[in-house]
Amino acid sequence: ELKVEQNPLFLSMQEGKNYTIYCNYSTTSDRLYWYRQDPGKSLESLFVLLSNGAVKQEGRLMASLDTKARLSTLHITAAVHDLSATYFCAVDMMETSYDKVIFGPGTSLSVIP
Amino acid sequence: DVKVTQSSRYLVKRTGEKVFLECVQDMDHENMFWYRQDPGLGLRLIYFSYDVKMKEKGDIPEGYSVSREKKERFSLILESASTNQTSMYLCASSLYTGAYSEAFFGQGTRLTVV
Repeated sequence: ELKVEQNPLFLSMQEGKNYTIYCNYSTTSDRLYWYRQDPGKSLESLFVLLSNGAVKQEGRLMASLDTKARLSTLHITAAVHDLSATYFCAVDMMETSYDKVIFGPGTSLSVIP
Repeated sequence: DVKVTQSSRYLVKRTGEKVFLECVQDMDHENMFWYRQDPGLGLRLIYFSYDVKMKEKGDIPEGYSVSREKKERFSLILESASTNQTSMYLCASSLYTGAYSEAFFGQGTRLTVV
């Protein structure tokens, strides 16, 4: 059974600081997604990572994937208040006939001015 | 833009009622999903469908059923609502199986069972 873990679950950081959120998963997969959820809102796709060594960047966020280590990271550079949200990673189990995507528990990020 | 629309933002139902949650997507996606979201548990997959009339159980299907009679519409049914089904329900769709594409989510339905 695929398990997806995130670390930390809660993160409070000051504006201007850097930090990394980790996503570990328990079985082989080379498709991983990062989503953002604002309070009271639905999920919004941030990154799609499709192969070992994949790196994607959007503004102050950078995501990477190491399929051998079964690890993805979401790095935040010089955090700003607008990045406060909950971040989820999700792993595609890639079943033979359909996609089954399992989500991590989420990391609640609060950026303090 | 892909649009996934859920029929209600908030619902309050009584224990034992039959509850229908509707979801419609407008991008001709083949895959559709129902998740529930609870604090500390993330999103858990209830059911998904990869084609019309096709369905697969997710991780927590007990107490739920689904229907997909048309490609754009995926319904979640609570046959007899119980208080432990109080939750946020999220519908999502994605292009097709094997495509390297992310899922697009609806705005969510917050269901309270009293």
